[in-house]
Amino acid sequence: DAKTTQPPSMDCAEGRAANLPCNHSTISGNEYVYWYRQIHSQGPQYIIHGLKNNETNEMASLIITEDRKSSTLILPHATLRDTAVYYCIVRVGGLYNTNAGKSTFGDGTTLTVKP
Amino acid sequence: EAQVTQNPRYLITVTGKKLTVTCSQNMNHEYMSWYRQDPGLGLRQIYYSMNVEVTDKGDVPEGYKVSRKEKRNFPLILESPSPNQTSLYFCASSGQTGNTIYFGEGSWLTVV
Repeated sequence: DAKTTQPPSMDCAEGRAANLPCNHSTISGNEYVYWYRQIHSQGPQYIIHGLKNNETNEMASLIITEDRKSSTLILPHATLRDTAVYYCIVRVGGLYNTNAGKSTFGDGTTLTVKP
Repeated sequence: EAQVTQNPRYLITVTGKKLTVTCSQNMNHEYMSWYRQDPGLGLRQIYYSMNVEVTDKGDVPEGYKVSRKEKRNFPLILESPSPNQTSLYFCASSGQTGNTIYFGEGSWLTVV
């Protein structure tokens, strides 16, 4: 199963882009990359996910390297409310995999957005 | 409204007294999971289920049991809780594995 490695903390200036890296060098071809964030001890909040291609939604962009061994979450214009712990998750996919749904979290990156 | 509901949200119990944390989802999701979160760490998967009567161990299954008799419910059972199971627990559900995962609000469990 893939493991994920994230830097423990990062700072970002308000209004600037926040780029959060994740290493998942042992990822398999059927494993998705998800990003969630958690504020205090609330339930994790969905941000974005992808398999191979880069993805963008109203919250963020996800850049996955061609070899899929790492990814970067981009918050294009960080606000103070984006201060949170951000988790990179690898999740086994596929309809017929016996361990589909098995998920591994990183220890998270605490992003602090400063005025 | 799409929801994953856990109960109880807060519980203090004594060592060895069996307890069950319930989890229910209203989205007809196939996949459900339980996680625990300890201070300063990410969530660790305890058990997961890909459908009724199909469950499998995650990374930290020792001391826990689960069952999936109905699609909407996935209770977590601690047969004989110990202090090292003091933690914050999250239930989650999703449709197919490439879909969004929805998390419950968490259950704080303290075993004394």
